Amino acid sequence: DGGITQSPKYLFRKEGQNVTLSCEQNLNHDAMYWYRQDPGQGLRLIYYSQIVNDFQKGDIAEGYSVSREKKESFPLTVTSAQKNPTAFYLCASTVAPGPNTEAFFGQGTRLTVV
Amino acid sequence: GESVGLHLPTLSVQEGDNSIINCAYSNSASDYFIWYKQESGKGPQFIIDIRSNMDKRQGQRVTVLLNKTVKHLSLQIAATQPGDSAVYFCAENRGSNYKLTFGKGTLLTVNP
Repeated sequence: DGGITQSPKYLFRKEGQNVTLSCEQNLNHDAMYWYRQDPGQGLRLIYYSQIVNDFQKGDIAEGYSVSREKKESFPLTVTSAQKNPTAFYLCASTVAPGPNTEAFFGQGTRLTVV
Repeated sequence: GESVGLHLPTLSVQEGDNSIINCAYSNSASDYFIWYKQESGKGPQFIIDIRSNMDKRQGQRVTVLLNKTVKHLSLQIAATQPGDSAVYFCAENRGSNYKLTFGKGTLLTVNP
């Protein structure tokens, strides 16, 4: 079945460490996105990529980095510069960039700083 | 600040009743809206969408209404079931690049 797979489901990080969250999709979608969700809050856009080897900052990109070397993969690195990284991270994809297109979401990774 | 918001953060209904979840948006240039359902610990699931050239769209047990005059969006769920209990988000698309802006969500609780 086609879909988006995020791993791991739970992740613990020590302060000062970088950590990378995986997102893979087999939907043949061009565009991929990373969102952050805090308790009781909506989703906030971290980074998005409309095509391979290209990505743009979203609304809260500071302390995060991404790469898009393959169409299927859009890993997110949470760096030590992110001061409050504990959150639920969601990856999404759309068949193409542009308006009027539904986003498909993964099941999320819950990151906790210990 | 948020341009997409919800009037009610929580909604509790009896099983079998109809539910109405509301959403206000402030960007009159937004031309595409989506409702998502998110169960605890999971990613959001698409429910229904509507374009700005429409004022109503129906799906299975769900209807979305769009009032562009007052920039208001609503999701109606008919014959609400316990499995409908979740957080519901509205989202709007702005601009030529795909960027969805999400509201804070409404927690729907269905009582048996």
